[in-house]
Amino acid sequence: KAGVTQTPRYLIKTRGQQVTLSCSPISGHRSVSWYQQTPGQGLQFLFEYFSETQRNKGNFPGRFSGRQFSNSRSEMNVSTLELGDSALYLCASSLESNSPLHFGNGTRLTVT
Amino acid sequence: GQQVMQIPQYQHVQEGEDFTTYCNSSTTLSNIQWYKQRPGGHPVFLIQLVKSGEVKKQKRLTFQFGEAKKNSSLHITATQTTDVGTYFCAGPDQAGTALIFGKGTTLSVSS
Repeated sequence: KAGVTQTPRYLIKTRGQQVTLSCSPISGHRSVSWYQQTPGQGLQFLFEYFSETQRNKGNFPGRFSGRQFSNSRSEMNVSTLELGDSALYLCASSLESNSPLHFGNGTRLTVT
Repeated sequence: GQQVMQIPQYQHVQEGEDFTTYCNSSTTLSNIQWYKQRPGGHPVFLIQLVKSGEVKKQKRLTFQFGEAKKNSSLHITATQTTDVGTYFCAGPDQAGTALIFGKGTTLSVSS
């Protein structure tokens, strides 16, 4: 069974630009969660989608948004990038709420 | 908001020594999960505990869930260099749709 796939693996962007990250969950998993990981703040929850509906959102500004498609694939978008957005963005899928998360390899975003 | 705290933040041990990391939640949890992240890797699920006072073992790893379901611990017996990494505990939020992670304990092992 294929794991969670995230693309791209690395991104370098300039302040003010926007970026879109993609995540393909494990087949059959309908829940997709996104996390931001930084050395200082650890793993911070961004949002969770289930059957194309955002069910939960973390404490991030509106510049961070996401969506989920009918095939459970998900994208997250960050607009008007700031230097502090530099981080590893991890996507995780699960069968349902409270099920273990299966993480992708992440997208390493660097904002200059 | 809900917080999950872990101590210590870092721990260095000699190979063969034991290691323990502790996790505390500000709220009662329906379950607690543990993950391991190797350097340069992504978090990998280790185990889920659901019952009050539950103890589970995986080879040299022992996981406990407190009686009040607000704390947990991971104990590694006789550490090996393959145990190196960051260990995270995580619990669901009140809605049950977000897993809140502690900041992790980073374990280094010297041989």
